[in-house]
Amino acid sequence: DGGITQSPKYLFRKEGQNVTLSCEQNLNHDAMYWYRQDPGQGLRLIYYSQIVNDFQKGDIAEGYSVSREKKESFPLTVTSAQKNPTAFYLCASSSGPTFGNTIYFGEGSWLTVV
Amino acid sequence: AQSVAQPEDQVNVAEGNPLTVKCTYSVSGNPYLFWYVQYPNRGLQFLLKYITGDNLVKGSYGFEAEFNKSQTSFHLKKPSALVSDSALYFCAVRGPGNDYKLSFGAGTTVTVRA
Repeated sequence: DGGITQSPKYLFRKEGQNVTLSCEQNLNHDAMYWYRQDPGQGLRLIYYSQIVNDFQKGDIAEGYSVSREKKESFPLTVTSAQKNPTAFYLCASSSGPTFGNTIYFGEGSWLTVV
Repeated sequence: AQSVAQPEDQVNVAEGNPLTVKCTYSVSGNPYLFWYVQYPNRGLQFLLKYITGDNLVKGSYGFEAEFNKSQTSFHLKKPSALVSDSALYFCAVRGPGNDYKLSFGAGTTVTVRA
């Protein structure tokens, strides 16, 4: 099956812990993205990567880190510096730097601080 | 800067009636406009997009959207709504420039009653 796989679906974090959300795609897409979704606020961009070994901060990058060592993988680490990490996290990808390209989304991961 | 406004938090319609979800945008230059749908606890599914050409765009599941440049709008429509259309709908815009970020509206919850 082609698509974007996020794991885990549900993750619980203790105060002061770093956690990593996995995102893998087999669509051969060059660009990958991480969005955060909070109720009533739509989606906000955390980080995006247009090519392997390169990534840029989005609108709310503080407290998050990413890597792009392989084309198909774009993991997101939520660090202890992120003070309010409880949210729904969405990974997405698109076929490259053309404005008309559609961004496709994974099924999302819930992160809850306990 | 680019932005999207979805003026209605909620839209309620009866099954079989027409459905309209409103979206207005702000962007420098020609816009690239997208509609997505999200079901509870799921990722976003792509419905349709406007890149150029015909102002009326047809998409998945019987949805269509009309691009109106003078009113900077991109309203989503369906002639006859189904109960299964009940979901959260997002409008998004991407403008020309050196980045490929997609900016989302806050979303509109559609409820179709039987």
